[in-house]
Amino acid sequence: TQLLEQSPQFLSIQEGENLTVYCNSSSVFSSLQWYRQEPGEGPVLLVTVVTGGEVKKLKRLTFQFGDARKDSSLHITAAQPGDTGLYLCAGEETSGSRLTFGEGTQLTVNP
Amino acid sequence: NAGVTQTPKFQVLKTGQSMTLQCAQDMNHEYMSWYRQDPGMGLRLIHYSVGAGITDQGEVPNGYNVSRSTTEDFPLRLLSAAPSQTSVYFCASKDRGIGELFFGEGSRLTVL
Repeated sequence: TQLLEQSPQFLSIQEGENLTVYCNSSSVFSSLQWYRQEPGEGPVLLVTVVTGGEVKKLKRLTFQFGDARKDSSLHITAAQPGDTGLYLCAGEETSGSRLTFGEGTQLTVNP
Repeated sequence: NAGVTQTPKFQVLKTGQSMTLQCAQDMNHEYMSWYRQDPGMGLRLIHYSVGAGITDQGEVPNGYNVSRSTTEDFPLRLLSAAPSQTSVYFCASKDRGIGELFFGEGSRLTVL
């Protein structure tokens, strides 16, 4: 059983649609990160959220950390084919400790 | 900058063979870790280290050993490979505290 549960596991949408990916846990995290991974490469950091209720925006991507610091969401507005990839959330239970990942959400945006 | 370097990139083993996956980073990061990635499983933590001489187990440590004799290097050893260890392995490092995890390019291991 993984500490972080992501949903949905797979998502296939048309260009221009909006989508939300969820990352949930029963544990409290000191920080939560979102990564994106392309085939054949290692994951690359998109954002880190630290404060409960925090919202961060990265162009068309909006990240939110739950008030209780147990969950997070990633919302993409007007998805583009270039957004296709594997999105992973990762949590750190205490600052400087190990980072554990969710199962990932495979997003495909069709032109 | 080289960042995190993993070798080899590809390896085929027979059941029962041993091997070491090498990982080196040139960013003077204190934290280093090994993950395995299987379809539908995301990244699962095998072992990690918060500094030279310190290692600890992650979620799936069985069948793997690590050591951290220097800040730069964090090798992962498979003492007796099993088909269940067929996977893509990623080494990653980060600085102390909350920060970005930098990944190597991955090592694809097949155990026959």
